[in-house]
Amino acid sequence: EVQLVESGGGLVQPGGSLRLSCTGSNFIINSKEMTWVRQAPGTGLQWIAYISGSGYTINYADSVKGRFTISRDNAKESLYLQMNSLRAEDTALYYCARARGRMFDFWGQGILVTVSS
Amino acid sequence: QSALTQPRSVSGSPGQSVTISCTGTSSDVGSYSSVSWYRRHPGGAPKLIIYDVTARPSGVPDRFSGSKSGDTASLTISGLQAEDEAEYFCCSDAGSYAWVFGGGTKLTVL
Repeated sequence: EVQLVESGGGLVQPGGSLRLSCTGSNFIINSKEMTWVRQAPGTGLQWIAYISGSGYTINYADSVKGRFTISRDNAKESLYLQMNSLRAEDTALYYCARARGRMFDFWGQGILVTVSS
Repeated sequence: QSALTQPRSVSGSPGQSVTISCTGTSSDVGSYSSVSWYRRHPGGAPKLIIYDVTARPSGVPDRFSGSKSGDTASLTISGLQAEDEAEYFCCSDAGSYAWVFGGGTKLTVL
């Protein structure tokens, strides 16, 4: 079965850091375009970061640019999101999703990040 | 990038059809033929149901159809079934490896 599984979420204080991981099975991640998408309470989905299959092309939403870093390790079938200088408004359910063309064809179940003192 | 505008909720009876709209701008929906739709049941992962405005992934029934006119895309679900009760999100290419999503629409099957 093809799966994406996120991990690394939890409760963190404002200004703190957290690193999310996304692990794939059956080569779902390996050398494929990947993204992170989040959903804050009471809001819709928000795309926040993209990385190409090689890792050379990266893009971020303005709301996280300069604070979050997307990276990958194809050998480990893993995707990462380093989140620094976290704010209350970063509280959300974070999904990793595979991009194919301009759509997202596989999604993880999501991992909760709560930023609160 | 502002979120695409979707109705907060829609409803229909089994067997009926419902349409969910998704309004963007000339910078996203109006400029690209890359609108996709996702369904998410409570506690579940989003699932792709429409891509490139009108295309259906393998396994998605033809009860689901998509369209676009100008800055507005639409998802129509015909022959409503109880299992269709879920939250639906639209998404548009926003250029340069960026995307914008809608706020989500909760579909209730009466």
